[in-house]
Amino acid sequence: QSVLTQPPSASGTPGQRLTISCSGSGSNIGSNFVNWYQQLPETAPKLLIYDNTQRPSGVPDRFSASKSGTSAALAISGLQSEDEAAYFCEAWDDSLSGPVFGGGTKLTVL
Amino acid sequence: EVHLVQSGAEVKKAGESLRISCKGSGSSFSDSWITWVRQMPGKGLEWMGTTDPTDFYTKYSPPFEGHVTISADKSTTTAYLQWRSLKASDTATYYCARHLIEVIDAYHHYRMDVWGKGTTVTVSS
Repeated sequence: QSVLTQPPSASGTPGQRLTISCSGSGSNIGSNFVNWYQQLPETAPKLLIYDNTQRPSGVPDRFSASKSGTSAALAISGLQSEDEAAYFCEAWDDSLSGPVFGGGTKLTVL
Repeated sequence: EVHLVQSGAEVKKAGESLRISCKGSGSSFSDSWITWVRQMPGKGLEWMGTTDPTDFYTKYSPPFEGHVTISADKSTTTAYLQWRSLKASDTATYYCARHLIEVIDAYHHYRMDVWGKGTTVTVSS
């Protein structure tokens, strides 16, 4: 059972806008920044969004994210077939003194 | 550019010991931590523990404490994940990641910005 809660799956069609949610608590999302990672099939995770809303260099601006209270969300606009991957949210947890992850959302592009 | 290069896949038997490695370029070990993450087949990411190569302080996630040992050698910019006695349930892919920490305006910013390609460990019973 992951500390952060994500829907296990999501799907969309090319060009569509889609949102993935991530729910936590006061000791993690409520008091720390949220990061998002993309894991393409058979590859290592890659940092997609950091500090709630920031994109590392090279990440398309089709990817955006937000945070409110103890929840966060990742939005993907103009969905493309290459976006088919698993997406994980992560935040530092003050009670654990370590990072906690969501269970991951597997995105299928139909 | 920062890279983390992990050691190759391992096939072991239950009860055997194992140490896998994660070698980084210089800037991956200065002013940052190294974190190990487990991914069991078809499952999500799990934090195992984090080490600071500058002072050797290591923090373990409770489910992993006592079962694995995390260490780092700053002189060779290499981090290690070690088991004394493997179990079949240790079958997984293990990732190392550079864990950046920044303090800006008294707020702590954490993120794992560089990841190794992963080491797959298969343990037979």
